[in-house]
Amino acid sequence: DVVMTQSPLSLPVTLGQPASISCRSSQSLVYSDGNTYLNWFQQRPGQSPRRLIYKVSNRDSGVPDRFSGSGSGTDFTLKISRVEAEDVGVYYCMQGTHWPWTFGQGTKVEIK
Amino acid sequence: QVQLVQSGSELKKPGASVKVSCKASGYTFTSYAMNWVRQAPGQGLEWMGWINTNTGNPTYAQGFTGRFVFSLDTSVSTAYLQISSLKAEDTAVYYCARVTVTQPNDYWGQGTLVTVSS
Repeated sequence: DVVMTQSPLSLPVTLGQPASISCRSSQSLVYSDGNTYLNWFQQRPGQSPRRLIYKVSNRDSGVPDRFSGSGSGTDFTLKISRVEAEDVGVYYCMQGTHWPWTFGQGTKVEIK
Repeated sequence: QVQLVQSGSELKKPGASVKVSCKASGYTFTSYAMNWVRQAPGQGLEWMGWINTNTGNPTYAQGFTGRFVFSLDTSVSTAYLQISSLKAEDTAVYYCARVTVTQPNDYWGQGTLVTVSS
């Protein structure tokens, strides 16, 4: 299985400041069709997960533009340009290129 | 609007079975696969597998073969997860999710807590 490794695992941030989460895969996530199926999910406390980003950098509907995704191959990043209180939760990267789909361990974002 | 509504929490004894339901509405049920995701208490997310809602063919991730069964009743737009011979380590929240990695928008059920305890 493809191993997804996130860092940091805990991220205390100041409101209004930027935040960045790294995700590295154990093998390339470029699929045979040329696409890279790297996703980012947010799970707020007590809620179901919700996807923010698909195919590395595409925001899902309703996702604020302060969230952005980037990267290629095996190295990916989720950035929050200015953290708001509602961004508290755990963020997971997930690869959908190789079966089985696999998640990173999660990064807990909290307000300082 | 798209909704996935799961059945309520379950408390089961070791060795028993449980069947979790996931009722879909707001879209054509057979147009999208249904996925299942497990989250043990205080832990991360784990993809269990998916079921083709057209053919009923399930695909299981390693670690979810044998005791785990995905099934459908397309007449009521409902997917099911059945777990047999329950163990304490099966205690988790189980989510159904309509997620396609090629297209925008995902939808998740509210989760079903299955607790296995004697």
